[in-house]
This record gives sequence, structure tokens and C-alpha cells, in this order.
Amino acid sequence: GAGVSQSPRYKVAKRGQDVALRCDPISGHVSLFWYQQALGQGPEFLTYFQNEAQLDKSGLPSDRFFAERPEGSVSTLKIQRTQQEDSAVYLCASSSRTGRAYNEQFFGPGTRLTVL
Amino acid sequence: SQQGEEDPQALSIQEGENATMNCSYKTSINNLQWYRQNSGRGLVHLILIRSNEREKHSGRLRVTLDTSKKSSSLLITASRAADTASYFCARGGYQKVTFGIGTKLQVIP
Repeated sequence: GAGVSQSPRYKVAKRGQDVALRCDPISGHVSLFWYQQALGQGPEFLTYFQNEAQLDKSGLPSDRFFAERPEGSVSTLKIQRTQQEDSAVYLCASSSRTGRAYNEQFFGPGTRLTVL
Repeated sequence: SQQGEEDPQALSIQEGENATMNCSYKTSINNLQWYRQNSGRGLVHLILIRSNEREKHSGRLRVTLDTSKKSSSLLITASRAADTASYFCARGGYQKVTFGIGTKLQVIP
């Protein structure tokens, strides 16, 4: 089927605005991940869902960041009162449960957020 | 924080040459992965090597792992312009992947 999709692909926000970024994982994938990638850096883990349960949110940089996946499929990453340092590409990934110790993650194209 | 560090940070080669990128990491691993990221296809998983493996091949890619030195290398043979991308080593994968800072490879036609 289709890969991971994210919307919008680009978002420009004024400092202080709230933004919501959407991720549609591959159909049937149980696990969903959010990463933040600053310019010139590798992606950094933000949070992880297994179905609708958020099992790890240790990477969220502040309480302005909030993620949800209420029905275990689509996920939304919300950033409140955006700051300039939030400017980055936000990547979503999903993986299936195959019973192996390692499950390959499939990444979406990302949302490039620019905070002015 | 990012666990791996790739070396070099940037590499420019002629088409047809081989490209070697190195990765060092700090903590013990169960596996190590290499990813490629370019503007056309985004971030894509290339190859995984487990901690009990020393070398693995996939097409024109060869990955080695030395757990005693906590290092890995990715060799791309007979490079093509389409190999131009950033390459990341990463560890983990069951619940999260921890990426290095990447090597930016440019292959000149």
C-alpha cells in the first residue's frame, strides 16, 4: 500500500502560534514514531506509540510539545506557543510488529516547520 | 542526544569511485543500521548488521562492524550520481532509533 504520509509538507508559523502536524502511517502498522531533525543534524527521537498508547515521550523537548494517536492510526504532533528553536523537519515513522526483535521503520517525507 | 558520530562529515568523490564512511558509537548495541536521506526519497533504511556479525553485503553496499572498537563502516562501491545523499548510522529500532550526525556524500558525474 501507500507509504507514510505527512501533512502539511511545509508550515510557516509566527512565534507564539500553535501548530499541528499530521502523520498517516502505513495501514496496519502498530508502532508510530516522531522525530525532530534540525538543519545539518540527524533525526532525534521525540515520542513513540504502540497502537493508541504513548509508551515513550522522553524525547519531547518541553511541555509545549504534545502528541496523540487516539484511534491507533493517524497521529498528530502539536506544538504550542512555537519558538524559533522549534524550526526543524518533523519526521514520522511507522513499523509493523513481526515478532522480531528489530522492526524496520518506514519514514514519511517530513514536515518542514519554520518559526519566524 | 545523538549516539553515533560519522566520519567524515562531508565527502566528495567522482562517479565510479568507492565511498567509505565511518561511524563510532558510545554504548553497547544489539544491532547497527545505516540510513540514506536525500530530497527525493526522504529517509530510507539501507542495511542492518547485528552485533554478532562482522560484515554484511547488500548490492553495492558493504557494512562492517567492530564491536571491540565500537565502530562501523559503510562502503559504497562504484558510486553513482544517484548515491548523492546524507548517510546516517543508527542504533536501536524496536522502540526508537538513535541517529548519528551523518556524512554528506556528493558524487560528481
